[in-house]
Amino acid sequence: DAMVIQNPRYQVTQFGKPVTLSCSQTLNHNVMYWYQQKSSQAPKLLFHYYDKDFNNEADTPDNFQSRRPNTSFCFLDIRSPGLGDAAMYLCATSRSLAGEETQYFGPGTRLLVL
Amino acid sequence: RKEVEQDPGPFNVPEGATVAFNCTYSNSASQSFFWYRQDCRKEPKLLMSVYSSGNEDGRFTAQLNRASQYISLLIRDSKLSDSATYLCVVNKSGGYQKVTFGTGTKLQVIP
Repeated sequence: DAMVIQNPRYQVTQFGKPVTLSCSQTLNHNVMYWYQQKSSQAPKLLFHYYDKDFNNEADTPDNFQSRRPNTSFCFLDIRSPGLGDAAMYLCATSRSLAGEETQYFGPGTRLLVL
Repeated sequence: RKEVEQDPGPFNVPEGATVAFNCTYSNSASQSFFWYRQDCRKEPKLLMSVYSSGNEDGRFTAQLNRASQYISLLIRDSKLSDSATYLCVVNKSGGYQKVTFGTGTKLQVIP
């Protein structure tokens, strides 16, 4: 059974047109993360939620926002996508913020910006 | 210097060979270490955690060297299905899971 689900798997948007990616989890984990991964690069953490507490990475552009309306769902909003935002966006969850906790990843949404 | 560094490879090895990857990290406060496996165009999946005493899971052995600040992954008897990118993950402690991924080492096992 899928534990971390991302929709859509592929998203095409136009330059400057807002887009929302979604993530849901059946694990009841407290923490949800969003990563950006470009080709042949490491996943880069954008932000995470611990319950309702939002934590933004210092170098995450303002163009990227997130919402977590409840435990199960988390959204990534890209307000004005640029060509450089084309990437795989990975959602992950973990039970807690303790360093030894495993992160469970969703299958990712591949974003193409035209 | 990058926080987490890996040789990108590719490592091309024949089936049955033993192959080892290293991953170096720069922050001595790092507390937790993992190896993830990522298949082409798929999400990363946990392969194994890396414990101070070293740990083994079947054909895979992970080691941590805190003095030299690196972790290693050894794969014995390589299978075609081991072909993937292996990502090193380092977490800092302090109540906040500050996760840093390496860029990964690509392994190609050849028949």
